[in-house]
Amino acid sequence: EDKVVQSPLSLVVHEGDTVTLNCSYEVTNFRSLLWYKQEKKAPTFLFMLTSSGIEKKSGRLSSILDKKELFSILNITATQTGDSAIYLCASSTSGTYKYIFGTGTRLKVLA
Amino acid sequence: EAGVAQSPRYKIIEKRQSVAFWCNPISGHATLYWYQQILGQGPKLLIQFQNNGVVDDSQLPKDRFSAERLKGVDSTLKIQPAKLEDSAVYLCASSPDRNQPQHFGDGTRLSIL
Repeated sequence: EDKVVQSPLSLVVHEGDTVTLNCSYEVTNFRSLLWYKQEKKAPTFLFMLTSSGIEKKSGRLSSILDKKELFSILNITATQTGDSAIYLCASSTSGTYKYIFGTGTRLKVLA
Repeated sequence: EAGVAQSPRYKIIEKRQSVAFWCNPISGHATLYWYQQILGQGPKLLIQFQNNGVVDDSQLPKDRFSAERLKGVDSTLKIQPAKLEDSAVYLCASSPDRNQPQHFGDGTRLSIL
């Protein structure tokens, strides 16, 4: 059965810290891995990764995919209280383009 | 551009009642998804449409859930009859096509009493 596992489940840090969120996957016909940020409402898209070893970066956030070891990480540097959210990763499959989400990592950044 | 619109925002019903949710995707988006997100879990795909055709409904409990996307634009998701375990947030998402990231609506929070 296809699955996506995220760790840690929750994390509390102080402003200015750097955090690394993990996402591992076991998916048949893997196509891409996506990261979303979910605050109180809709998940918002952060990154889509399809190739191994190529870092994607947006401001203080960056992500990379390892297709050999079947995982991805999301890094957030110099965290701010506004980074407090649930971070979701999802895998998509070729063919049906079915998306499977992990349970998320709940990040809380303290001032 | 306008985002994905969903209504209602909240719904409270008793078990065995019926409920319907509505979704208006971003204009021009061919692919539409309905997800169920139970508290503390990630979104679970219920059904995926490509234009007005169903691509994947393998996780849709078809004995009680139904969905349609008439004319390939708006979509409705119905539950009849509702069970306690259906309490969740129902998220609608759309994308320009199936290999593009999805844009989510704010969801409908459903509580079953």
